[in-house]
Amino acid sequence: AQSVAQPEDQVNVAEGNPLTVKCTYSVSGNPYLFWYVQYPNRGLQFLLKYITGDNLVKGSYGFEAEFNKSQTSFHLKKPSALVSDSALYFCAVRDPGDYKLSFGAGTTVTVRA
Amino acid sequence: EAGVVQSPRYKIIEKKQPVAFWCNPISGHNTLYWYLQNLGQGPELLIRYENEEAVDDSQLPKDRFSAERLKGVDSTLKIQPAELGDSAVYLCASSLGRTLTDTQYFGPGTRLTVL
Repeated sequence: AQSVAQPEDQVNVAEGNPLTVKCTYSVSGNPYLFWYVQYPNRGLQFLLKYITGDNLVKGSYGFEAEFNKSQTSFHLKKPSALVSDSALYFCAVRDPGDYKLSFGAGTTVTVRA
Repeated sequence: EAGVVQSPRYKIIEKKQPVAFWCNPISGHNTLYWYLQNLGQGPELLIRYENEEAVDDSQLPKDRFSAERLKGVDSTLKIQPAELGDSAVYLCASSLGRTLTDTQYFGPGTRLTVL
């Protein structure tokens, strides 16, 4: 069965500093990996996904993520965080051959001015 | 392009009452999903539709939950009767449904409070 772990409940960074949100996964085959962001009282917004190809994936709002097969990780990164990046971030994985998307528990990011 | 639309956004009911949530997916999206999101957790799939057919309802508590997507577009999720533990956010999502790599796009959700 597929699963996702987000080891940090909270990440706090100063505005302008690099932001990293960690994600590790477990699937039986090559994974499809996704990042979503959720602002208060709103649904999940799609940021980026890895399906195949280049391990570095670029997405919306300046975010990128690096797929590392040997470490089974898909960490989300942003070179320079903004206060408006403060939100709840979810990593999700899909096993090829299955439509089910399994989400992590989420990481709350707080960017202080 | 309009996103996934859900209504109501908030609902407060007393336990044992029925409640229904409505979802309109992105135009042209054949696959529709209902998810349950408890506080502090990631969403969990309740049911998936391909057009009007429920192809995965294994996680739907069928004793009190039901769903329909009669014309393969809009969908309704119902709870009858509601219990205190049903308080959560109910999210609807849709995708094109053509390949397994399709992205799921989520609506704003309905926050249910059962008193």
